[in-house]
Amino acid sequence: QKEVEQDPGPLSVPEGAIVSLNCTYSNSAFQYFMWYRQYSRKGPELLMYTYSSGNKEDGRFTAQVDKSSKYISLFIRDSQPSDSATYLCAMSANDMRFGAGTRLTVKP
Amino acid sequence: DTGVSQDPRHKITKRGQNVTFRCDPISEHNRLYWYRQTLGQGPEFLTYFQNEAQLEKSRLLSDRFSAERPKGSFSTLEIQRTEQGDSAMYLCASSPATTYEQYFGPGTRLTVT
Repeated sequence: QKEVEQDPGPLSVPEGAIVSLNCTYSNSAFQYFMWYRQYSRKGPELLMYTYSSGNKEDGRFTAQVDKSSKYISLFIRDSQPSDSATYLCAMSANDMRFGAGTRLTVKP
Repeated sequence: DTGVSQDPRHKITKRGQNVTFRCDPISEHNRLYWYRQTLGQGPEFLTYFQNEAQLEKSRLLSDRFSAERPKGSFSTLEIQRTEQGDSAMYLCASSPATTYEQYFGPGTRLTVT
């Protein structure tokens, strides 16, 4: 079993939809949780960074962490075609572990 | 542009050759990381520097791989006697001392023929 599990998709939604992306993890030592967006052949771009359980909102993005269930989520409201990318969850105790990424397509 | 930069962006080499990649982190960041990413996978941790000290190395980092960060500024990653399995995107990231947020560069795409 991998330390971080993420459904690779692909996920296709119409423009304006609410997108839900999820990861589960097995290592209870993880304390820091991040979501990255990666466009094809580019480096990952940091979207959200959270430390504690609960919600954190930034514009159209909301990150949710449930440490008791070892489950994290990223919600994208009013999705746009420019949101089409691969979304990577990442978590850290000492070094960082990434999920495999979920490929999202937002259709106009 | 004050982000993380990497050079070269693309490298094609023949099996058995040595290659070296460079990473320039965000100037005030004292932590620097190297990752490898293959198609359809998330980045895999290779090694980590705090200032000039290499503090952690993954078991993925075989003895053909070496990384340096002289003077705690830019870093280099060298792969000796490249193999086809080394073909991947090599990513560099940096973070400040006070948080664990990592900011990535654009990556160096290596193709070993």
